[in-house]
Amino acid sequence: QQQVKQSPQSLIVQKGGISIINCAYENTAFDYFPWYQQFPGKGPALLIAIRPDVSEKKEGRFTISFNKSAKQFSLHIMDSQPGDSATYFCAASKGSNYQLIWGAGTKLIIKP
Amino acid sequence: DGGITQSPKYLFRKEGQNVTLSCEQNLNHDAMYWYRQDPGQGLRLIYYSQIVNDFQKGDIAEGYSVSREKKESFPLTVTSAQKNPTAFYLCASHPEGATGWEKLFFGSGTQLSVL
Repeated sequence: QQQVKQSPQSLIVQKGGISIINCAYENTAFDYFPWYQQFPGKGPALLIAIRPDVSEKKEGRFTISFNKSAKQFSLHIMDSQPGDSATYFCAASKGSNYQLIWGAGTKLIIKP
Repeated sequence: DGGITQSPKYLFRKEGQNVTLSCEQNLNHDAMYWYRQDPGQGLRLIYYSQIVNDFQKGDIAEGYSVSREKKESFPLTVTSAQKNPTAFYLCASHPEGATGWEKLFFGSGTQLSVL
């Protein structure tokens, strides 16, 4: 019940296309869902996050869609650029428990 | 510039040897964390500390030890008891406050390999 399942493991998208990464969780007590972006040889950095009281959050080209009934959330990257090539991690946490449960990561490659 | 500095960037361990990974932050954060990252897996929590002189085990603490003698520093020792230490190790921190925990700040990591 503590797992966060992320898919796909890897993704290749043409420049200008839409990249979509999905995550699913079981624990309905989770109430905070961040996405982190990691470039090779670097630590992850917070990209965008959502709480279950909204179904969508947008920041620039990045959007989180949240489906509470399906226990799924996804990251959409619009107009994908080569600079977006990185590994993306979803995660989940509950209440003030800040020990995040991490997905396995998605390696995204944007082809010029 | 404020941030988290991890050193060394690459580290090699011989059989039976203990090695220590350094993590220093100048962000004035109270909470600090150590994560292990293996290819194709999410981050797994090794140890965390919310305040000086106090720390708690995470999900995979066996074979590791930490200390927190100063607010700025949270070194991780990989002991000889850790039989599979090859991994990318990440140190992180976050500020205090009701929502401070929502954003983790990471260092650039240390790649540990076994000789």
